[in-house]
Amino acid sequence: AQKITQTQPGMFVQEKEAVTLDCTYDTSDPSYGLFWYKQPSSGEMIFLIYQGSYDQQNATEGRYSLNFQKARKSANLVISASQLGDSAMYFCAMRELISSGSARQLTFGSGTQLTVLP
Amino acid sequence: GAVVSQHPSRVICKSGTSVKIECRSLDFQATTMFWYRQFPKQSLMLMATSNEGSKATYEQGVEKDKFLINHASLTLSTLTVTSAHPEDSSFYICSVRKASGYYNEQFFGPGTRLTVL
Repeated sequence: AQKITQTQPGMFVQEKEAVTLDCTYDTSDPSYGLFWYKQPSSGEMIFLIYQGSYDQQNATEGRYSLNFQKARKSANLVISASQLGDSAMYFCAMRELISSGSARQLTFGSGTQLTVLP
Repeated sequence: GAVVSQHPSRVICKSGTSVKIECRSLDFQATTMFWYRQFPKQSLMLMATSNEGSKATYEQGVEKDKFLINHASLTLSTLTVTSAHPEDSSFYICSVRKASGYYNEQFFGPGTRLTVL
């Protein structure tokens, strides 16, 4: 079964508008972390934001915020005031923490290609 | 500045040759490094976990004899693609996890684009 699901292969947004990139996840572990990465055409993976499963508040980092709905197992990324430089591939990822305290590997979703239109 | 470096950034080789990719942790010592492969328009798939001073742990379906991993020091891991074939053409990314802090932040190298002719 897919651990991380990103249902939007491609998204378009007008410059200066907000956009939401969807991510749902599947885990039975109570402790886990959710990550969003940006991958521009150069290929580098840029860390954007993190949400822990026990965090009470939604994470925010500048123009990025994570809409964490634990019961629905969703962790959507919201980008406000889109800029042309935001055009890139965006990956949602999850890492589960097993009971011994060790961390499993990062599992990535299939990604969403975001294009910001001028 | 960069936390993880990779060399080379791009390599083109003939079928049958071997290619070595280096991954360096620049900011901290890393007992564990990760190697990912990414095909065009696809997600990152974990190939193996590189452990300093011991054998690498390979994911299911990854041939350990084809993708040789050596983690000789706390700052360097190498991936050697042996007898490369066109189907090995891909984007290879290494990653280092910082085993401290709130969420064990994971840093990625800039990647190596391998093209096998």
